[in-house]
Formats: sequence, C-alpha cells, structure tokens
Amino acid sequence: KNQVEQSPQSLIILEGKNCTLQCNYTVSPFSNLRWYKQDTGRGPVSLTIMTFSENTKSNGRYTATLDADTKQSSLHITASQLSDSASYICVVSARWTTDSWGKFQFGAGTQVVVTP
Amino acid sequence: NAGVTQTPKFQVLKTGQSMTLQCAQDMNHEYMSWYRQDPGMGLRLIHYSVGAGITDQGEVPNGYNVSRSTTEDFPLRLLSAAPSQTSVYFCASSYSNVFAGATDTQYFGPGTRLTVL
Repeated sequence: KNQVEQSPQSLIILEGKNCTLQCNYTVSPFSNLRWYKQDTGRGPVSLTIMTFSENTKSNGRYTATLDADTKQSSLHITASQLSDSASYICVVSARWTTDSWGKFQFGAGTQVVVTP
Repeated sequence: NAGVTQTPKFQVLKTGQSMTLQCAQDMNHEYMSWYRQDPGMGLRLIHYSVGAGITDQGEVPNGYNVSRSTTEDFPLRLLSAAPSQTSVYFCASSYSNVFAGATDTQYFGPGTRLTVL
C-alpha cells in the first residue's frame, strides 16, 4: 500500500484562479516532505522541502503547508498561469533509525491543467 | 553546468535484448539514483549509489544492474529486456543522502522513455 496518497488525481482550473492540492502520508518516522513539479516529458523539479518543525514554505506563487500531527500537507497555487500545467508530486522521507533505512516515498501525483 | 544528463531520450527494444541507459552529472554529487515512472504510480527507486564504487538496491531492482566507477557517471543496465520494463526512467543526484533524511535538493535528469516489444 502506498504510504503517500495525493488528491485529487487531476483537476482543471481557469487561468488566474487558485487551487489547493492535498498529500496524506503514513511514512514514519517522518523526516521531511517535498513537493515537485513535473512538466510533461521532463524530470521532476523541486518546489519546496519542509522538515518537521516547518509548517509553511513558499516558492513564488507556490505555498506548501505541513501538519505533522495529522500527517497532511497541501500545495496552494495562487493566481494560476498556463505554465503551471504539470503534475505535482509529493515525496515523504523517513528518518533513518536502527530499525530501518531512510525511505523516500513518492506519491502518484496530481495532474493540473490550467485553461485560458 | 549541464546538471543531470541522460541518454538516449527514447529507446525501443525487443524482448531479450540488453542495453545501457547512461546518466551523468557535473555537480560533483556523491549520491545518485535511478527511478522508473509508470502511469498512475509514484516514482520507484531501482538502485542508488552513495559514492564511486558503492551501490545498493532500491525498491524494484530485479532485472537491472548498476555500477559506479566515477563520481560523474551512473549507468543502468538492462540485461535481458522484458515488456514489464517498459517505462520512463529517471536518474537523479544530490549532494547529501536524501534517503537518510537529508534536506538537500535532488536534481533529476530529463528521462529515458523505454519501450520493450
């Protein structure tokens, strides 16, 4: 069972509107959470990285939030542009412990389409 | 500074053929890894390396071999291609060990789209 679940699977938004993507995880013990943007036919590109002590991090029009207690994260896109059309991937990393090596779990992604 | 480069961009193989996917980085990163990406699934780790001469298996290593003779290069070998290996393959690198919880940026290559008939 995937330890990182993203929703929705896809969404269509009008240019200029805002949207929020969700990421729920069960990876433990938690180390950090990343959001990537993947354009069609390209490799993923890092947007934000958050550790346990951070609950908000911004990168331009992208704002990620983290609630480590409920194991949820969101990525908010403000004033969407056509170039925001892409897949957005949530990745959760576990801390290394004596019981396990660090894990790097990818969500399946949310496909965002921005229309004029 | 080219970052992470991969060749070829596209490849079609017949079942049973072998080939090597090339990956190189010019950022002097010790940590490199190979992933495959299939529709509806998250990227899955195939093999990774923590430095020249050191490699280890990831989540889905069967059917793939790797070696790391230099810091820059990390080729992925398919010994006997199978249709189940049809996928998009990504190589990535980072300065620190993201698999142990480091928060460094992981840089991805542009990918190789492989089809096995």
